[in-house]
Amino acid sequence: GQQLNQSPQSMFIQEGEDVSMNCTSSSIFNTWLWYKQDPGEGPVLLIALYKAGELTSNGRLTAQFGITRKDSFLNISASIPSDVGIYFCAGQASGTYKYIFGTGTRLKVLA
Amino acid sequence: KAGVTQTPRYLIKTRGQQVTLSCSPISGHRSVSWYQQTPGQGLQFLFEYFSETQRNKGNFPGRFSGRQFSNSRSEMNVSTLELGDSALYLCASSFGQVAGELFFGEGSRLTVL
Repeated sequence: GQQLNQSPQSMFIQEGEDVSMNCTSSSIFNTWLWYKQDPGEGPVLLIALYKAGELTSNGRLTAQFGITRKDSFLNISASIPSDVGIYFCAGQASGTYKYIFGTGTRLKVLA
Repeated sequence: KAGVTQTPRYLIKTRGQQVTLSCSPISGHRSVSWYQQTPGQGLQFLFEYFSETQRNKGNFPGRFSGRQFSNSRSEMNVSTLELGDSALYLCASSFGQVAGELFFGEGSRLTVL
């Protein structure tokens, strides 16, 4: 199936550290969404991006819509234990109503 | 407001059986899309419905089907279950416009024995 390249696949970090992850696509997207998923639950929407170059924050989370419209970045500042989970990006191409999801970044925070 | 509701949360079936999963979207949302999530393949798009019409379909065999009712509730059906159909099936709702935000339910965990 079709998936976006998301990196890194997993991260082990110390509490208090900053985290960066990104998604890249071979196609141009009009929308990027970022989600967090906890075990056994559905993904929860964190941030939505609609314009190239857009930078949006949600608390300690900041996401950016890449200038080329083929990538997006998510940063988490001052990580805490509850940040543990899998983070997914999702992109929507022009003229479509479906989203393609990234392969996910598994984040583990060491207290 | 109430979120996306999926039922059942867990179910176990045997090969060859069929299964129907249900999804109630957020009030006011007219689009419902379905995704299959497995450890190996990640989140894969199944199909999307808007106002009872299928607008998009993923690359899944015809054993996977869905429908949407006039109240926007949706069901998906998998016939002749195979072991590889074991997965978390996620439903997401949105207002249905281009560049809309998707809101997911907690999923239905299907195990095929």
